Amino acid sequence: EVQLVQSGAEVKKPGESLKISCKGSGYIFSNYWIHWLRQMPGRGPEWMGGVYPADSDIRYSPSFQGQVTISVDKSTDTAYLQWRSLEASDTAMYYCARRDVVSGIIEWLDPWGQGTLVTVSS
Amino acid sequence: AIQMTQSPSSLSAYVGDRVTITCRASQAIRNDLGWYQQKPGKAPKLLIYGASTLQSGVPSRFSGSGSGTYFTLTISSLQPEDFATYYCLQDYNLWTFGQGTKVEIK
Repeated sequence: EVQLVQSGAEVKKPGESLKISCKGSGYIFSNYWIHWLRQMPGRGPEWMGGVYPADSDIRYSPSFQGQVTISVDKSTDTAYLQWRSLEASDTAMYYCARRDVVSGIIEWLDPWGQGTLVTVSS
Repeated sequence: AIQMTQSPSSLSAYVGDRVTITCRASQAIRNDLGWYQQKPGKAPKLLIYGASTLQSGVPSRFSGSGSGTYFTLTISSLQPEDFATYYCLQDYNLWTFGQGTKVEIK
């Protein structure tokens, strides 16, 4: 079974750093992009960026460029999302999702991880 | 950036009703669109990709159509387990979600 398992919920203070993870299993991890998405309370998901584990190619949404860092460790089939200095506005659920493609152009996100709730509060 | 405008933002319907949700793109996106279902406290789940291809395991009462800038998701006979929020997602240029449509029980 193809599966993405994310790290657990985090409660942090403003200014603190954080790194959350997403571990893939049931498929060849290196061959598929992993994307990160933010969902703020009561809102729809937003695409943040993604990483291609085979060559560590990373793409960011313009909205998140410079705000977060995406990375990957092929040896452990794990992708990461990190912040250097959290703000209260970073409070949200964060999902990872695998990008699949057919015919080189039709893409979708499936499966998704279970989500990591990040709460930033003083 | 491509904007996705989804409507309605919410709707109330009876079990057995036919329901249609629309999504408009700010520019032509071929058929690079998917539909996702999200239930409270859960991750979104893929229903349809490529505008009209049903994901494996998804009931056939779900269908998608459209290309270019106008797309629809139809549920032919609403079932109790279909009450959820639905999102469209374009993958033509980066990834952009619609604002969502909450389907509630009437």
